[in-house]
Amino acid sequence: SQTIHQWPATLVQPVGSPLSLECTVEGTSNPNLYWYRQAAGRGLQLLFYSVGIGQISSEVPQNLSASRPQDRQFILSSKKLLLSDSGFYLCAWSVLRLAGNTDTQYFGPGTRLTVL
Amino acid sequence: ELKVEQNPLFLSMQEGKNYTIYCNYSTTSDRLYWYRQDPGKSLESLFVLLSNGAVKQEGRLMASLDTKARLSTLHITAAVHDLSATYFCAGPLRGFGNEKLTFGTGTRLTIIP
Repeated sequence: SQTIHQWPATLVQPVGSPLSLECTVEGTSNPNLYWYRQAAGRGLQLLFYSVGIGQISSEVPQNLSASRPQDRQFILSSKKLLLSDSGFYLCAWSVLRLAGNTDTQYFGPGTRLTVL
Repeated sequence: ELKVEQNPLFLSMQEGKNYTIYCNYSTTSDRLYWYRQDPGKSLESLFVLLSNGAVKQEGRLMASLDTKARLSTLHITAAVHDLSATYFCAGPLRGFGNEKLTFGTGTRLTIIP
């Protein structure tokens, strides 16, 4: 069965410091991978998605970047954090569209980031 | 681009009662997803609805899709405290496929004993 891991689970960082959040998926090959952010009490905002190694699509201009160095690894980074980067960061995966596939996105446990 | 609106945003209901959460979307879509989020936790997939008239049920939750009305509903039957959570509906941003999903703002459901 497929599993998705994120770490760290929680993170407190000062403004201006760098960031690296990691997401890995097990039990599937060539998944679509996604980074979302959820501000406190709000809905989800898609930040990045990737359909393959080195292929990243950015959805909103921001202080963040993403990379996919391996098939099942997705990394979210920042060189200098802002206060507005605080939130709950969720990684998700889905399989490529196949006949009869529901294409559901499955979410990891999340990283709660607080920028002070 | 698909836009998704949920209502109500907040819902308090007594145990044992029935209620419905509504999800309206703006343009043609070939699918609609429902997710559940417990406080401080990640999202859990509940249902995916792939065709007009589709109905899925799991325990006390039942989801349906009316593509002509661009409406999906999540019906709660005889609510119990364990169902307290925030429920999100989501659809493909382009109306098809899964590369990008757009989410509703969520319905925070509180079941009162």
